[in-house]
Amino acid sequence: EAQVTQNPRYLITVTGKKLTVTCSQNMNHEYMSWYRQDPGLGLRQIYYSMNVEVTDKGDVPEGYKVSRKEKRNFPLILESPSPNQTSLYFCASRWTVNQPQHFGDGTRLSIL
Amino acid sequence: TQLLEQSPQFLSIQEGENLTVYCNSSSVFSSLQWYRQEPGEGPVLLVTVVTGGEVKKLKRLTFQFGDARKDSSLHITAAQPGDTGLYLCAGPSGYALNFGKGTSLLVTP
Repeated sequence: EAQVTQNPRYLITVTGKKLTVTCSQNMNHEYMSWYRQDPGLGLRQIYYSMNVEVTDKGDVPEGYKVSRKEKRNFPLILESPSPNQTSLYFCASRWTVNQPQHFGDGTRLSIL
Repeated sequence: TQLLEQSPQFLSIQEGENLTVYCNSSSVFSSLQWYRQEPGEGPVLLVTVVTGGEVKKLKRLTFQFGDARKDSSLHITAAQPGDTGLYLCAGPSGYALNFGKGTSLLVTP
């Protein structure tokens, strides 16, 4: 089954404790993205990747890091999480720039 | 970033009513996509419109892409409670895909 898998689905943690949210896709897609979704602000792109070792900043990259060492994986790293990073996060992938996104089921992060 | 403005932000209607939601931009898009998102899940693609003036139908949902490719609309005929959700439009901007803030639709029996 074609899917984008994120882990964990839920995480409650404390300020400053490094965390990684994993994302894996099994569709051999070139493009992968991370979004955060907040009430009233919609889906905002954090980072995206056009291929292995090629990444670029989205609209809200501050406080986040990503890596794309393999085509299927695109982890999101919060080196020193802060409460303003409490949000619902989505990973997505697609074939090319004009193709539709396939989304994961989301990761709800709470930073205390 | 090419902005997409969606209206209305919220819509609450009764089963059987018709409705239209809008997605507007000052920029030209090569294509626009519509997604629906249900609580606790990721957005799921409904349709992609590519050609200016294009109309696509998906059962009771009709999607239209403006002639100038700057706007799009989604019309739902005889809405049902199962149509409840967040409707998002999205358009490519360089290598990125930008989303509008969405229209939250509630259809009550």
